[in-house]
Amino acid sequence: KNEVEQSPQNLTAQEGEFITINCSYSVGISALHWLQQHPGGGIVSLFMLSSGKKKHGRLIATINIQEKHSSLHITASHPRDSAVYICAVRDQGGSEKLVFGKGTKLTVNP
Amino acid sequence: DTEVTQTPKHLVMGMTNKKSLKCEQHMGHRAMYWYKQKAKKPPELMFVYSYEKLSINESVPSRFSPECPNSSLLNLHLHALQPEDSALYLCASSQDHGLTEAFFGQGTRLTVV
Repeated sequence: KNEVEQSPQNLTAQEGEFITINCSYSVGISALHWLQQHPGGGIVSLFMLSSGKKKHGRLIATINIQEKHSSLHITASHPRDSAVYICAVRDQGGSEKLVFGKGTKLTVNP
Repeated sequence: DTEVTQTPKHLVMGMTNKKSLKCEQHMGHRAMYWYKQKAKKPPELMFVYSYEKLSINESVPSRFSPECPNSSLLNLHLHALQPEDSALYLCASSQDHGLTEAFFGQGTRLTVV
């Protein structure tokens, strides 16, 4: 079983829809990262969370440490949001290693 | 400047070639990372440098040789690679390890022929 599980693996939405991507993890963590990767491209860091909730533009990330669960929400989705969204965690020891989920491929159709 | 710059963007090399990938950041970050990413897979950690010293080597074959000449630069020297080494190589940096945000470069798309 992977330490970091994301769902869904693939998600197709219509422009304007509200999107939720989930991440569950099985280890104690010091931080959780949400990352975005466009096809063939590099990775952009969206959020780093250790508790609570963060908002940046149309993106909202929440984390529940007790339940070992995080969600990434996209409001008013747009075709340019189409990308792979990756959840990654750093373990409680403050390790230099990030453990990655397998990613959620989001396609937003116009 | 919040960028991690990787060069080249694309590289095609033969199995007998020697080439180098370069990564540069000017954010004062003291931890730098090399990742390998195959198609439709998450990145896999290869090496971590912390304060210019190699702190993690994830049992990477010796045909990959990292180098950190100073706190802003990270190189990955490639020699005698195999076709299965073809992948996207990503560099990342963070202020320090632990509770700090990681910034990634755009990657170098490597093809070994």
